[in-house]
Amino acid sequence: AQSVAQPEDQVNVAEGNPLTVKCTYSVSGNPYLFWYVQYPNRGLQFLLKYITGDNLVKGSYGFEAEFNKSQTSFHLKKPSALVSDSALYFCAVRDGGYQKVTFGTGTKLQVIP
Amino acid sequence: EAGVTQFPSHSVIEKGQTVTLRCDPISGHDNLYWYRRVMGKEIKFLLHFVKESKQDESGMPNNRFLAERTGGTYSTLKVQPAELEDSGVYFCASSQGQGANSPLHFGNGTRLTVT
Repeated sequence: AQSVAQPEDQVNVAEGNPLTVKCTYSVSGNPYLFWYVQYPNRGLQFLLKYITGDNLVKGSYGFEAEFNKSQTSFHLKKPSALVSDSALYFCAVRDGGYQKVTFGTGTKLQVIP
Repeated sequence: EAGVTQFPSHSVIEKGQTVTLRCDPISGHDNLYWYRRVMGKEIKFLLHFVKESKQDESGMPNNRFLAERTGGTYSTLKVQPAELEDSGVYFCASSQGQGANSPLHFGNGTRLTVT
């Protein structure tokens, strides 16, 4: 069975500071990893994905994520946070052999002006 | 292109009543998924259609939930009779392919409140 853990319910960061939103995963096969963002009263928007290749993947809005196989982690990062980045972030995983995408519980990011 | 649309955006019903949620996927997307987020918990998979066929319905909680996708276009999710624990946000998503290079496109969700 595949699973995702987002250990932080909320992350607070000052505007302009770097941010990290943590995610760890568990799959039996090759992991396909995703980050989605949800703004208030909106659906989830795709940010970035890791399939294979470079461990550092870049996505929308200046976000990037680092795949670490030994730590089974896929943390979301941004060098300089904006107030507009405040939203709910979901990490997701799909085992290479299955189609179902499993999501984490979400982390609320609050960027403080 | 138009995104995934869901209707209604909100629904408040009493326990025991019936509610039908609708999802219109992006045109041309054969894959349609239903997910649910309950009480701030994780977004849980309900089921997956490929065109009009149910590919995976392992996440459907019980037989009070019925999903259909007649004609392989829009989909409906009916809850009958609704229970209090069915409250949550129901998301629909679609994708063009089934591979990992086909990310899910989500609708804005339907917030269901059962009182």
